[in-house]
Amino acid sequence: SQTIHQWPATLVQPVGSPLSLECTVEGTSNPNLYWYRQAAGRGLQLLFYSVGIGQISSEVPQNLSASRPQDRQFILSSKKLLLSDSGFYLCAWRDRGVHEQYFGPGTRLTVT
Amino acid sequence: GESVGLHLPTLSVQEGDNSIINCAYSNSASDYFIWYKQESGKGPQFIIDIRSNMDKRQGQRVTVLLNKTVKHLSLQIAATQPGDSAVYFCAETHFGNEKLTFGTGTRLTIIP
Repeated sequence: SQTIHQWPATLVQPVGSPLSLECTVEGTSNPNLYWYRQAAGRGLQLLFYSVGIGQISSEVPQNLSASRPQDRQFILSSKKLLLSDSGFYLCAWRDRGVHEQYFGPGTRLTVT
Repeated sequence: GESVGLHLPTLSVQEGDNSIINCAYSNSASDYFIWYKQESGKGPQFIIDIRSNMDKRQGQRVTVLLNKTVKHLSLQIAATQPGDSAVYFCAETHFGNEKLTFGTGTRLTIIP
């Protein structure tokens, strides 16, 4: 069966520090991968998605970037965090040919 | 629809009663719909889906109804339990689209 992992689970970082969040998927090949952000009490905002290694589509201009160095690995990065980057970051995957996405456990980021 | 900046609407239901959560969509091309459940501090969890060639689909204690004429989707939860307390999101997409469009979300609270 398929499994999705995200780490770390929680993170507290000072303004101006770098960020690296990692997401990996097991049990599938060549999935679509997604990064979402969710502010407290709000809906889901799609940040990036990838349909293959090295292929990244950006949905929202910001100081974040994403990379997909391996088929089942998706990384969200920032060189300098802003206070507004605080939130709950969710990674999701889906198989080709189906629509439903499956979400990871999320990373709660607090920028201080 | 756009869900990022909106506060979540809320619904409170007595334990054991049935609940109905509604969702409106705007894209006439949408042909696939999903309901997700998100418990506090966790990633959204797939509940049930429905294709546009159907108007009703049932799962365990849940029923999704689709009215394409008025672009309306609903999730009915029968005999609600405390574990049903969560935020529920609808999502829609169409063939060939790599992304899901999420609704605002509704916070369901089950009153013991």
